[in-house]
Amino acid sequence: SAVISQKPSRDICQRGTSLTIQCQVDSQVTMMFWYRQQPGQSLTLIATANQGSEATYESGFVIDKFPISRPNLTFSTLTVSNMSPEDSSIYLCSVRQGASYNEQFFGPGTRLTVL
Amino acid sequence: AQSVTQLGSHVSVSEGALVLLRCNYSSSVPPYLFWYVQYPNQGLQLLLKYTTGATLVKGINGFEAEFKKSETSFHLTKPSAHMSDAAEYFCAVGTDSNYQLIWGAGTKLIIKP
Repeated sequence: SAVISQKPSRDICQRGTSLTIQCQVDSQVTMMFWYRQQPGQSLTLIATANQGSEATYESGFVIDKFPISRPNLTFSTLTVSNMSPEDSSIYLCSVRQGASYNEQFFGPGTRLTVL
Repeated sequence: AQSVTQLGSHVSVSEGALVLLRCNYSSSVPPYLFWYVQYPNQGLQLLLKYTTGATLVKGINGFEAEFKKSETSFHLTKPSAHMSDAAEYFCAVGTDSNYQLIWGAGTKLIIKP
């Protein structure tokens, strides 16, 4: 299975600022996903990061608020823009390898607190 | 469309007792089913999966789950709970027609000494 790292592991940010989260995978993967996990909640898919094209966003998430880059098959970034306390969450990167059975592997997450 | 229901947001068992976490799914096409575990302050780790073939699947840390098509269930069990099993458990479903996973709400497993 792929090994996934995320930076930063946690951060405390001020309202109105932006934070960029990095996701690095140790092998080339076809699909990368960004999730949000609010305190005590399940996972909510923000977007699918596509290499060489724009990300595909889920309902309720927009590119201006959560711009995503995917410059190659092993790396992606998610930016949380103009943050408010409601953005305080865990942000998780996951990957799907090959085309087998939708199985996903997750990074350790980035714990964001917005004051 | 697919959906996943996990019964019980919190399940408490004594150390050494049977663990049973319930997951029911809805899918109009053959599903792939997953259980993931999230330990405090960590990401999600795949416990086990059902794709095709044998309906009783074994995973890591002594967990297993059985796919029951007639009951649309994929319950997770472990014969004897250990303190280290305390975590949040998520059930998820996927299909060939959708590259995404649909997630249950999660069940927090509490182990009493």
